[in-house]
Amino acid sequence: DQQVKQNSPSLSVQEGRISILNCDYTNSMFDYFLWYKKYPAEGPTFLISISSIKDKNEDGRFTVFLNKSAKHLSLHIVPSQPGDSAVYFCAASVYNFNKFYFGSGTKLNVKP
Amino acid sequence: DAGVIQSPRHEVTEMGQEVTLRCKPISGHDYLFWYRQTMMRGLELLIYFNNNVPIDDSGMPEDRFSAKMPNASFSTLKIQPSEPRDSAVYFCASNSGTSTYNEQFFGPGTRLTVL
Repeated sequence: DQQVKQNSPSLSVQEGRISILNCDYTNSMFDYFLWYKKYPAEGPTFLISISSIKDKNEDGRFTVFLNKSAKHLSLHIVPSQPGDSAVYFCAASVYNFNKFYFGSGTKLNVKP
Repeated sequence: DAGVIQSPRHEVTEMGQEVTLRCKPISGHDYLFWYRQTMMRGLELLIYFNNNVPIDDSGMPEDRFSAKMPNASFSTLKIQPSEPRDSAVYFCASNSGTSTYNEQFFGPGTRLTVL
């Protein structure tokens, strides 16, 4: 049974608008979360992280929000650019444990 | 640094054959991970090593799968015998226990097709 779920396999957004990618988890022990971005024929690359002591973390156009009570996190990209078109994976772990559980990914398409 | 190196990038084989995937982690990284990506299950952790020692192999699907790390700069994932349902992209990743965000650095993957 998957402990991290990304229920939207794909998302299409117009350039300049906001992209919101969602992720849900079931294990309340998870306290550290990462987002990765993956282009075709490449491995995933780290994008942004958040620990459970925070509910928001920002890095440029990328912001991750964490709602611990709902066991939900989201990645906001503002403004979206065509170069953001990729598959986005969320991952969760118990901090200081290297075992991450990944979601199935959301394919984002940003239209020019 | 060259990043994580995986070979081959593509492998096509017939059912029943042995398949060996190879990985060279980033120099200085003491953790190495093997993942499998499928449409249905996304990215699954198969096994990970710390200082060349397997720590958790609970994700290895069957006894047909085995992984080794004979030294800090090389690891293999072997499937024997291979089956069509093993067709997937296999990623190797590495990191250091002291990395800031605990993020893992992924190789480009090996796309395995078992006919």
